[in-house]
Amino acid sequence: DAGVTQSPTHLIKTRGQQVTLRCSPISGHKSVSWYQQVLGQGPQFIFQYYEKEERGRGNFPDRFSARQFPNYSSELNVNALLLGDSALYLCASSTADRVDTQYFGPGTRLTVL
Amino acid sequence: GESVGLHLPTLSVQEGDNSIINCAYSNSASDYFIWYKQESGKGPQFIIDIRSNMDKRQGQRVTVLLNKTVKHLSLQIAATQPGDSAVYFCAEVNQGGKLIFGQGTELSVKP
Repeated sequence: DAGVTQSPTHLIKTRGQQVTLRCSPISGHKSVSWYQQVLGQGPQFIFQYYEKEERGRGNFPDRFSARQFPNYSSELNVNALLLGDSALYLCASSTADRVDTQYFGPGTRLTVL
Repeated sequence: GESVGLHLPTLSVQEGDNSIINCAYSNSASDYFIWYKQESGKGPQFIIDIRSNMDKRQGQRVTVLLNKTVKHLSLQIAATQPGDSAVYFCAEVNQGGKLIFGQGTELSVKP
């Protein structure tokens, strides 16, 4: 079975640009969460979506937004990129809205120059 | 401004020895904890979990200990193997049901 997939694998942007990251959950999983992992630190929670509704939001500015589609895939958008947005962006899926059953994807490495 | 990554704590062990990785958590109200393993280029992988009504839980070659008095978790890996080399994170589930990850420890296994 395919695990959580994310695209693209790597991405380079310049300050001020906008970026869209994509995530496909494990088949049958209805919940998707997004995390930001800065080099040398643990992942930080950004958003959780369950059944296409936002269920939680971490301490991130409004430049960060997300949505979940009818097929449960998800997109994370970041506007007006800053150097500090450079990080590994992880997507995790689960069957329900419980975080203890999450499976993580390999992440998208975003570099902002 | 530009963020700077922190230098991860590291633990170096000989193959076959036991490893102990420690973690302090912040919220005394947290009632569920998870250990994750993250290999280079991959997302975190679930290892073992423990609820606050327990102080010890064992899996295959791994044991998690929870000391609620001092808000401390540890992960013990028996007979450490080269494939155990990775960064290990503890995470607590907060009252909002969201995962809060710790800083992480890099485990290096010497053959």
